[in-house]
Amino acid sequence: GAGVSQSPRYKVAKRGQDVALRCDPISGHVSLFWYQQALGQGPEFLTYFQNEAQLDKSGLPSDRFFAERPEGSVSTLKIQRTQQEDSAVYLCASSFSRTTPYQPQHFGDGTRLSIL
Amino acid sequence: GENVEQHPSTLSVQEGDSAVIKCTYSDSASNYFPWYKQELGKRPQLIIDIRSNVGEKKDQRIAVTLNKTAKHFSLHITETQPEDSAVYFCAAPIIQGAQKLVFGQGTRLTINP
Repeated sequence: GAGVSQSPRYKVAKRGQDVALRCDPISGHVSLFWYQQALGQGPEFLTYFQNEAQLDKSGLPSDRFFAERPEGSVSTLKIQRTQQEDSAVYLCASSFSRTTPYQPQHFGDGTRLSIL
Repeated sequence: GENVEQHPSTLSVQEGDSAVIKCTYSDSASNYFPWYKQELGKRPQLIIDIRSNVGEKKDQRIAVTLNKTAKHFSLHITETQPEDSAVYFCAAPIIQGAQKLVFGQGTRLTINP
């Protein structure tokens, strides 16, 4: 598969548990983005990586959210002490680079997270 | 920062008719405008995009127009088919920093047979 791959596709957790969501970007893509999509809404930016460097985490809702991309490829979004408002679809997107001209972002299928 | 407004929120058209979805943006520095189609439970799929150095771009039944002066861009779908039914999102990038995309609220398009 040449597309962005995310796992798991569905995750159910009890309030207070920690969860980890994985993103495998398109091979060779330098830029990686995480978005949160609430039901019936457009995706909202969470954080951005250029290779292994996290250059923007301004969209992370709280310090319970943490993302990493240690080798500049696969990325993990971790949510600690989950709360019901964390229920959403978490989308990962990658693009070839961040240099101009702007490179299109390609999305994965997302992880649907449900907090009980 | 960038703000993107999308209208209408829902749109219902007869099969074979045209559909138009409009977006406005606030950051005059924005120079790239993608449109994504999202079917239920699936990924947002890039269907067409336009850069600020052109006013219109077409790809078969889909076209996008851009008016930089007015800061709005539109998606046009002609000869609509049932498989065009989906939620459509426009987006514009914040040019500074990560160039993250700011999305509109989405338009649920329904094609009636």
